[in-house]
Amino acid sequence: KAGVTQTPRYLIKTRGQQVTLSCSPISGHRSVSWYQQTPGQGLQFLFEYFSETQRNKGNFPGRFSGRQFSNSRSEMNVSTLELGDSALYLCASSLGPGNNYGYTFGSGTRLTVV
Amino acid sequence: ILNVEQSPQSLHVQEGDSTNFTCSFPSSNFYALHWYRWETAKSPEALFVMTLNGDEKKKGRISATLNTKEGYSYLYIKGSQPEDSATYLCTGGSSNTGKLIFGQGTTLQVKP
Repeated sequence: KAGVTQTPRYLIKTRGQQVTLSCSPISGHRSVSWYQQTPGQGLQFLFEYFSETQRNKGNFPGRFSGRQFSNSRSEMNVSTLELGDSALYLCASSLGPGNNYGYTFGSGTRLTVV
Repeated sequence: ILNVEQSPQSLHVQEGDSTNFTCSFPSSNFYALHWYRWETAKSPEALFVMTLNGDEKKKGRISATLNTKEGYSYLYIKGSQPEDSATYLCTGGSSNTGKLIFGQGTTLQVKP
């Protein structure tokens, strides 16, 4: 069974640009969450989506947005990139919303902003 | 849950040693606690999802306990092996929203 697929794996962008990251969950998983990890920081929660609806959002500025499609695939977008957005972005899927189910993580997208 | 604390930050043990880590969280509004193992160059892997006070879960040589009244969980590894070397993450949720607060992790190095 295919795992959680994140594309691209690596990305280099310039300050001020925008970027879109993609996440395809495990087949049958309808919940997708996004996390950011920066050097020296733990995983910081960005969003949770279920049935194309954002159920919760972390403490990130409005430049960070996301969406989920009817096939459960999710995208997150960061506009007006800043140097501090350089991070590993992880997507995780689970069977359902909330905390009752374990998460399966993708390999991540490493974003570098120069 | 406002903050999840893990200790120690890092641990170096010899092959065959047994070890344990601690995850602390505010006991009020607790909903669920997860443990993940994150090996270098790989994705975090779910170990346990625990919701009930007194829960004990086991997976091979790894086990975990949960005390929601006092706000802590222990992860035990019996007879550590080099392949157990990884960062072990604890994460908690205070409501069934899917918003998990991760601790900083405990990095385990097992020397052969």
